[in-house]
Amino acid sequence: EDKVVQSPLSLVVHEGDTVTLNCSYEVTNFRSLLWYKQEKKAPTFLFMLTSSGIEKKSGRLSSILDKKELSSILNITATQTGDSAIYLCAVKGSQGNLIFGKGTKLSVKP
Amino acid sequence: NAGVTQTPKFQVLKTGQSMTLQCAQDMNHNSMYWYRQDPGMGLRLIYYSASEGTTDKGEVPNGYNVSRLNKREFSLRLESAAPSQTSVYFCASSGWTGSYEQYFGPGTRLTVT
Repeated sequence: EDKVVQSPLSLVVHEGDTVTLNCSYEVTNFRSLLWYKQEKKAPTFLFMLTSSGIEKKSGRLSSILDKKELSSILNITATQTGDSAIYLCAVKGSQGNLIFGKGTKLSVKP
Repeated sequence: NAGVTQTPKFQVLKTGQSMTLQCAQDMNHNSMYWYRQDPGMGLRLIYYSASEGTTDKGEVPNGYNVSRLNKREFSLRLESAAPSQTSVYFCASSGWTGSYEQYFGPGTRLTVT
């Protein structure tokens, strides 16, 4: 059975801290891994990773995939209160649909 | 360009009542999806439609039916609502099922009492 596991489930940090969120997966015929940010409403797309070892970067956020370890990390540097959200990891499963992890709830305190 | 829209935004039902959640997208996407999100459970796929005229079950289809009315619209129906269906429902679309990026609607918060 395809599955995606995220850790930690929740995290509280202070502004300026750097955080690392983890995602591990067991999926038949892996194609790609995606990260989404969910604030109060719908998830919004952050990154898509298909190749191992290639970092995707957007401002203070970056992500990298390790196909050997079947995992990915999402890094956020110099965190701000606006980074508070649930971060979702998803992997394309054997049926062709996205399998989501349970998410990591990040709270950034001033 | 509104993206993915959903109606209603909120709904309260009594056990046994029925209702239909509506979803529409204006991005000319082929594939559409219905998810539910419960606290601590992430997003779980209920049904999806790879293209107009086709629908398939996802991870948690029991108690739901769907209709792909046309390329733009994909509705989710609860025939006899149960408290276990209290959840936030998201509709999403993508260019095709092989397209990895899905665009989400704003969600419908449903409470069944």
